Amino acid sequence: GQNIDQPTEMTATEGAIVQINCTYQTSGFNGLFWYQQHAGEAPTFLSYNVLDGLEEKGRFSSFLSRSKGYSYLLLKELQMKDSASYLCAVSPMTGGYNKLIFGAGTRLAVHP
Amino acid sequence: ETGVTQTPRHLVMGMTNKKSLKCEQHLGHNAMYWYKQSAKKPLELMFVYSLEERVENNSVPSRFSPECPNSSHLFLHLHTLQPEDSALYLCASSQVVSSSGNTIYFGEGSWLTVV
Repeated sequence: GQNIDQPTEMTATEGAIVQINCTYQTSGFNGLFWYQQHAGEAPTFLSYNVLDGLEEKGRFSSFLSRSKGYSYLLLKELQMKDSASYLCAVSPMTGGYNKLIFGAGTRLAVHP
Repeated sequence: ETGVTQTPRHLVMGMTNKKSLKCEQHLGHNAMYWYKQSAKKPLELMFVYSLEERVENNSVPSRFSPECPNSSHLFLHLHTLQPEDSALYLCASSQVVSSSGNTIYFGEGSWLTVV
């Protein structure tokens, strides 16, 4: 079957670092995506990993271990505007359209 | 502004009504998607159109009927819905590519309430 797990909720302090974990079991694997979704808004693309290792993009970094079926999203120097849901999604197909399988999302609350 | 526009943003309809959700993408993509987002549940893929052909229909009840007249427009026709169909309906688009990394871009969504 297809399964993607991530924590339901997390809290963190402004200026701190937070790591959001995601584990997956899917019938195929062609990359893992992270999206950010503020309440009432569209999910917006944050990062994409298809090879093992760390991808850094400003304050956000994403890590992938394919052998462990594991990824994390690292947010540094947290700001209040980072309060949002973070969605982990796996692409099981190679090429063509993108049939993403999503986790339920992690709701992050950043407090002063 | 994500390049994917959905209308209406909010819709309240009775169980006997017929309505449609509209999506338009300005990104030059050739695949379009409908997702359903319910509270505390993962996004559920409903339909995919690739190169204007329906390629995915994930056991969605027939009271939901998609239409893709061209690569830039996507509709979701709704009729005789149930209260449990109340949710956020997200449209998305992407390129159809031969390699990996074809990112999906989402619209703001249409909030549907069935009364």
